[in-house]
Parts: sequence; C-alpha cells; structure tokens
Amino acid sequence: EVQLVESGGGLVQPGGSLRLSCAASGFTFSNYWMSWVRQAPGKGLEWVANIRQDASGEYYVDSVKGRFTISKDNAKNSLYLQMNSLRAEDTAVYHCARGLFYSNYDYYFDYWGQGTPVTVSS
Amino acid sequence: QVVLTQSPAASASLGASVKLTCTLSSGHSSNAIGWYQQQPEKGPRFLMKINSDGSHIKGDGIPDRFSGSSSGAERYLTISSLQSEDEAEYYCQTWDTGGTGGVFGGGTKLTVL
Repeated sequence: EVQLVESGGGLVQPGGSLRLSCAASGFTFSNYWMSWVRQAPGKGLEWVANIRQDASGEYYVDSVKGRFTISKDNAKNSLYLQMNSLRAEDTAVYHCARGLFYSNYDYYFDYWGQGTPVTVSS
Repeated sequence: QVVLTQSPAASASLGASVKLTCTLSSGHSSNAIGWYQQQPEKGPRFLMKINSDGSHIKGDGIPDRFSGSSSGAERYLTISSLQSEDEAEYYCQTWDTGGTGGVFGGGTKLTVL
C-alpha cells in the first residue's frame, strides 16, 4: 500500500524558515517523480514544486522560486521541502504527492499524503 | 497560460448521476487533464486522467461508477449511482506548456441530496 506521511509543519514568523519532510513507503521511491502541492485555508489546490526521480531536476511555481527548495533522498525514501523567507501567503496545508509522469506537460499526482499545516504569522 | 474553469457547486440526489465539467482556456483544448476528489479533512485522491479524445486512465481502485469523457475544450467527470461518500470537492488539473507548471481548477463542491 502506497503511503505518504508529511511532517515538519508548524507556526513560523514572517521571514523565517521551515523544513517539511515526507516519508514514503509501499513503492519504489527512486522510480518516481515527487511533488509538493499546497492548499491555503478555505482555498483550492496549488502546485508548488516537482523533482525528478533521480533528483536531477527541480521545478517550482514562480511564487516560491528562490525561496523554496525541493529535494529527495532515495536511500531514505524521503522527500523534503526547505522553505525560507516565508510570507503570510505561504500559509497552507502542504501535501506530498507521488508523480504520475507521462511526458513533459502531461503529469499528475496519483497518491497524496494528508498534509502538514504551515502557518506564517507574527 | 492555461486556465481551468469549474462551476463552484453542483448537487444531485442519492442514487442519481452527475456530470462535472472542467473547461480549458482558449488555445489549450488539446490538453489532457486529471480529476481529483477531496473529501473533507482528507488529502486528495486521483480519479483519472482524460485525454482530448476522451480516452481515460483511472487511478488505482477507482470504481466503475466514475467515468470520464471529453468534447472540445471541455473535460467531464460523470459519477453514477451517487453515494453519500461522493460528497466532496472535485478538482481538475493540467500542465501549462508555457512553463508556469501545474495548474488546478478552482474546484466544484458536490452535494449529494
């Protein structure tokens, strides 16, 4: 059974940093692209970042470029999101998701975690 | 940049069928899309990918009650024999070839009466 369990969320002040983790199990982690998708309170889903299966490439939504870094450790079956220079508008539940890659521009999220909440506030 | 448009709300009776629509913005009618279900307080669940020709590939364990189709710039999710657990938010998603990345529709909240 595929399982994705996020951790590391919490309350942080504007300008602060946080590192999210996602523990994966039930599949060969090294074979898959992985992603982070967030959901602000009462709002819809927003893609944040993707990483290739071998961590050779990373892709970000414009609003987080230069502030967030996605990484994966295939030996530990873990995905990470390092978030720096956090802003109030980054407040959301952050979901880890497994990538379903057909081709460039044909990419979906076939398994999701429950998410970890991040609140950016003073 | 591609935009996905969904009606904010839909409703149908228990045991009936409902067809949800996701509309691709002009110039992107050939995009495939994915449909997701999000029940309250849960992570989203991948339902299926729908191509522009209407062919679709379902996610693991998705019941036959869920089906997909396509017409022009519109992508549809049809749920038949509605059950109470189908009451959820439904999102469509595609990828922007212009480089802005993954794009989600605003979601449709389905109420089962």
